[in-house]
Amino acid sequence: GIQVEQSPPDLILQEGANSTLRCNFSDSVNNLQWFHQNPWGQLINLFYIPSGTKQNGRLSATTVATERYSLLYISSSQTTDSGVYFCAGYSGGYQKVTFGTGTKLQVIP
Amino acid sequence: DGGITQSPKYLFRKEGQNVTLSCEQNLNHDAMYWYRQDPGQGLRLIYYSQIVNDFQKGDIAEGYSVSREKKESFPLTVTSAQKNPTAFYLCASKTGFLDTQYFGPGTRLTVL
Repeated sequence: GIQVEQSPPDLILQEGANSTLRCNFSDSVNNLQWFHQNPWGQLINLFYIPSGTKQNGRLSATTVATERYSLLYISSSQTTDSGVYFCAGYSGGYQKVTFGTGTKLQVIP
Repeated sequence: DGGITQSPKYLFRKEGQNVTLSCEQNLNHDAMYWYRQDPGQGLRLIYYSQIVNDFQKGDIAEGYSVSREKKESFPLTVTSAQKNPTAFYLCASKTGFLDTQYFGPGTRLTVL
């Protein structure tokens, strides 16, 4: 199956700072999602983005499918952005999904 | 309200006992997924199902079993063959090929 690597593994930001999280895939994927896991374990959908760029408020994401990577941008970070960010890629006819190892973000006041 | 429910939120079992985790969705989604998450780790796929009466093994299916007799239900049984079952278990569903996956709140299983 495909391998998914995320970087950086850990990130500490001052409130108000910007950041970029990266997700690399070992092989082509036909769908891609970004999630945020809050401290209580709930996963929240951020973006469904197999290619191109999308924006939602202070968050935006870009996927370059031909080069097998995706980026998540967080601008003007807030303490509520803290948690773990995962990307996930879907491949094959049965849509098997593989999650990355995650980026743990801590935003400090 | 539409959504995915998992019950119970916390579950304790003695070693050697089988245990079944519930996952129900009323979103009319075709596909359903089960994941395991260990502390500080990512999600690993256990089983997934695209349609009723059909499912595929994920990356860590050994020691687990599932059924998909109804579209809205995808229960996971953790058997005594699973060597280290204590973990956080997450269920998810999505409509079809090109769609977002939605997650339930999870079940924390502790085997004593």
